[in-house]
Amino acid sequence: EVQLVETGGGLVQPGRSLKLSCVASGFTFNNYWMSWTRQAPGKGLEWVASITNSGGSTYYPDSVKGRFTISRDNAQNTLYLQMNSLRSEDTATYYCTRGGRRVFDYWGQGVMVTVSS
Amino acid sequence: ETVLTQSPTTTAASPGEKVTITCRASSSVSYMHWYQQKSGASPKLWIYDTSKLASGVPNRFSGSGSGTSYSLIISSIESEDAATYYCQQKSSDPLTFGSGTKLEIK
Repeated sequence: EVQLVETGGGLVQPGRSLKLSCVASGFTFNNYWMSWTRQAPGKGLEWVASITNSGGSTYYPDSVKGRFTISRDNAQNTLYLQMNSLRSEDTATYYCTRGGRRVFDYWGQGVMVTVSS
Repeated sequence: ETVLTQSPTTTAASPGEKVTITCRASSSVSYMHWYQQKSGASPKLWIYDTSKLASGVPNRFSGSGSGTSYSLIISSIESEDAATYYCQQKSSDPLTFGSGTKLEIK
């Protein structure tokens, strides 16, 4: 059974940093692209970042480019999202998702990030 | 950026009725994918590559379309179909989602 378990969320002040982790199990982690997708309270879905299976390439939308960094440790089956210079508009539930080359076929339960003073 | 516009934003249907949700793209895309999200839960891949049902999806669901117009169709609504449905494209960067269609059951 595919499982994606996110941790690291919480309340953070604007301008500060936070790092999310996602531990994957139930599949061969290094065979898949991985991504982060977020959902602001009461809003729709927004793609945040993707990384190739080797970790050699990363992709971001303009809204987070230069502030967020996606990375992975294939030996530990773990995906990360380093979020710097956080803004109130980054407040959302962040989902670890398998895929990103075309579709996201599995989603974690999500972790809440609140950016507020 | 390819903007995906879903319609309707909200719809209500009675059990047994047919429902069509439309996703229009601001530029042509090769495929459309759909997700189902129930209240308080994570999204689930529902339909991929325009018309392929994800594992476990009932066959009362179907998908169709091409170019700039795609649809998710439910042939006979059941109460368990109450959810928000999102379309998504990756034909052009950045990957984008539609704003969602909330389906309520009367």
